[in-house]
Amino acid sequence: QVQLQESGPGLVKPSGTLSLTCAVSGGSISSDDWWSWVRQPPGRGLEWIGEFHHSGSTNYNPSLKSRVTISIDKSKNQFSLKVSSVIAADTAVYYCARNSFYSIEYWGPGVLVTVSS
Amino acid sequence: EIVLTQSPGTLSLSPGERATLSCRASQSVSGSYLAWYQQKPGQAPRLLIYAASIRATGIPDRFSGSASGTDFTLSISRLEPEDFAVYYCQQYGSSPPTYTFGQGTKLEIK
Repeated sequence: QVQLQESGPGLVKPSGTLSLTCAVSGGSISSDDWWSWVRQPPGRGLEWIGEFHHSGSTNYNPSLKSRVTISIDKSKNQFSLKVSSVIAADTAVYYCARNSFYSIEYWGPGVLVTVSS
Repeated sequence: EIVLTQSPGTLSLSPGERATLSCRASQSVSGSYLAWYQQKPGQAPRLLIYAASIRATGIPDRFSGSASGTDFTLSISRLEPEDFAVYYCQQYGSSPPTYTFGQGTKLEIK
């Protein structure tokens, strides 16, 4: 059973960079799977941020593409998310996940990131 | 960009009743690319259905999904107390690859 765990600062200043890491256990990020980040503002719905494959391929939500970078660390079996130039609207619970059959099968518990000075 | 519209926004039912949740796509969506999730407060979403009608691992058979053109339906045959939650539909778009969610339906106890 794949397990994912997000970690990172819970508070980021406006115009700064949000950085999160997702540790994967029970599976390898070098497998033939796609891995995603999804976020959810408080009290609102889900928004897909982007995905990557260990081959180096990435896909991003067009609405966020200019500010988002997803990268991987195969040696640590983890992957990361960076969102630059953050504003209050980037305040959300951020989830890392593993995709399967054009859906998102495994989810981390999520981490709340607040953008505030 | 395909937009998913879920209805109703809130559905009030009693345990033991049947629930029918709708998800309408603004354009044609392959049934293979449509999924449903359940989310309870303070928890991550849980995959219920993928490819419009296939139950994910461990999902009880009271949950079922169906498709008709641009309309997709999640049915729960006999509501259990643990089924009251928010439900999201999601579609995968291939050009470019993206995942889009509906706005959610809240299933509450009547």
